[in-house]
Amino acid sequence: AQSVTQPDIHITVSEGASLELRCNYSYGATPYLFWYVQSPGQGLQLLLKYFSGDTLVQGIKGFEAEFKRSQSSFNLRKPSVHWSDAAEYFCAVGPLGGFKTIFGAGTRLFVKA
Amino acid sequence: DTGVSQNPRHKITKRGQNVTFRCDPISEHNRLYWYRQTLGQGPEFLTYFQNEAQLEKSRLLSDRFSAERPKGSFSTLEIQRTEQGDSAMYLCASSLVRGEETQYFGPGTRLLVL
Repeated sequence: AQSVTQPDIHITVSEGASLELRCNYSYGATPYLFWYVQSPGQGLQLLLKYFSGDTLVQGIKGFEAEFKRSQSSFNLRKPSVHWSDAAEYFCAVGPLGGFKTIFGAGTRLFVKA
Repeated sequence: DTGVSQNPRHKITKRGQNVTFRCDPISEHNRLYWYRQTLGQGPEFLTYFQNEAQLEKSRLLSDRFSAERPKGSFSTLEIQRTEQGDSAMYLCASSLVRGEETQYFGPGTRLLVL
């Protein structure tokens, strides 16, 4: 069955420190992979996506993610976190046969001064 | 282009009442999706349209739920005889069929059923 696992429910990082959010997926073919960010009470904003080609993808707000097929992972990274990055981050895989996207449960990022 | 919009942003209703939400996708997008998000969870797929045709529905979409996209533009999601378990954020997304399939999300409608 297709699924997305985000092992960390929440992470706390000091401002200026580096960040890595983990994402593992289960999918029967080459997936389309996404990272979205959601601020409280808001919809989802696309950070970056992977369809094919270079396995290191750059996104908005200084984020990047690396697709590792052998590990079925698509971890999100940022070299220096800003207080405004505090939000919930969702990894997603899709589209699937019916073009629906499956989301992980999310990782909430807290940034301390 | 103002992105995907949803109305209302918040809705409080009493159990047993009917509610209707509206989604206006990005203008040139021909696919439209509805998701439900409960507290502490990621969005869960409910249904999607290509133009005016509803092509897939999740088993989460009980017979109390109905979605329409009559002219292939905006869409409505109606919940009849609401239950407390329907309390959630209802998210709409749209995409353009053109190789890639990136979905762009609206701000959501938060429903509270008392």
